[in-house]
Amino acid sequence: AQSVTQLDSQVPVFEEAPVELRCNYSSSVSVYLFWYVQYPNQGLQLLLKYLSGSTLVKGINGFEAEFNKSQTSFHLRKPSVHISDTAEYFCAVTPRGGFQKLVFGTGTRLLVSP
Amino acid sequence: ETGVTQTPRHLVMGMTNKKSLKCEQHLGHNAMYWYKQSAKKPLELMFVYNFKEQTENNSVPSRFSPECPNSSHLFLHLHTLQPEDSALYLCASSQDLGQKGSPLHFGNGTRLTVT
Repeated sequence: AQSVTQLDSQVPVFEEAPVELRCNYSSSVSVYLFWYVQYPNQGLQLLLKYLSGSTLVKGINGFEAEFNKSQTSFHLRKPSVHISDTAEYFCAVTPRGGFQKLVFGTGTRLLVSP
Repeated sequence: ETGVTQTPRHLVMGMTNKKSLKCEQHLGHNAMYWYKQSAKKPLELMFVYNFKEQTENNSVPSRFSPECPNSSHLFLHLHTLQPEDSALYLCASSQDLGQKGSPLHFGNGTRLTVT
């Protein structure tokens, strides 16, 4: 079975500052990794995903994430955040090549202030 | 038109009522899902359908009854719910069941309140 830990429930940051949202996972098999974003009163939207290949993955809205197999981490980063990035961010994992049973973390609320 | 549409957006129902949630996807996907999102808890997978056939029932109480008449439509029939069932119910779809890492596409959800 897989599990996902998002250590920070809330991350406050000022506009134009860099941010990192942490995600660690546990799995006995190889996995696919995802980051989703949820804006207020909306569903989840895919930010980026890691399937294979380069461990640095670029997504939409200037976000990127790095897969670190030895540390079982998939942290999300953005070099300069905007007010509009205020949202809930979810890390998720699913077994590679198998039935999609996404396991989500509890989410990290990113609060960007002026 | 958005890829995955859910109706209604908000629903208030008593514990003795019967209501249904509707989901429609316009992406040509073959798999559809129901998730429950409660505050401070991870998203919970409820049901999965692939080519209209149910492939997963994640130990969901029988007061929740899914229906998938075709690959584009998914319903969640609700009856005799409990207050703890109040949550955001999210519908999602994907091209396949994820063997190649295909992502989920979510609707905006139905905010359900059980009184």
